[in-house]
Amino acid sequence: GAVVSQHPSRVICKSGTSVKIECRSLDFQATTMFWYRQFPKQSLMLMATSNEGSKATYEQGVEKDKFLINHASLTLSTLTVTSAHPEDSSFYICSALIGYGYTFGSGTRLTVV
Amino acid sequence: DAKTTQPPSMDCAEGRAANLPCNHSTISGNEYVYWYRQIHSQGPQYIIHGLKNNETNEMASLIITEDRKSSTLILPHATLRDTAVYYCIVRAYSNSGYALNFGKGTSLLVTP
Repeated sequence: GAVVSQHPSRVICKSGTSVKIECRSLDFQATTMFWYRQFPKQSLMLMATSNEGSKATYEQGVEKDKFLINHASLTLSTLTVTSAHPEDSSFYICSALIGYGYTFGSGTRLTVV
Repeated sequence: DAKTTQPPSMDCAEGRAANLPCNHSTISGNEYVYWYRQIHSQGPQYIIHGLKNNETNEMASLIITEDRKSSTLILPHATLRDTAVYYCIVRAYSNSGYALNFGKGTSLLVTP
């Protein structure tokens, strides 16, 4: 089946630095990708929707200048957390729309110290 | 998308059937019922989806009531690896680019 490869699986960074998370569609072309954030014991919260070759659409309350999304190709979307702070520590998950269904990456555990 | 209501948690003995209910009383005619699950610290995994007929695949069965206002996901022989949060999501079957919206789901604990 369709696979989305997400890397890294976990990352620890210092406060104030930036972290890039990659999601690659391995055997299909992902025109649309979604980025979610999940805090402990909570559900997935949609952060943004990205379409290949265009600017991402951010959900209300998500800072687009802090969470930079690039979807420059049909197989790669990246999320960069800029100037990360401890409150950005979370589980980040990407998802791709494939046909009429959805497939998810394995997630990235970000810890900002 | 129609709102869904699920019990926050359920227990099931290993080897027994796990029946997870979902209410979606405001479902529209063109909306499907999707089930995903999330094992701890992993991305969600697709289980099954259906419109109005009952569906079965290698993972589970989906029973949708005739009025479509509720459904039940059945894991016929639960194993410890089925311990996860199960999400029932209702949305139109579309490639229009809208994301899945996750509720709180049901935390299923399968015990030995």
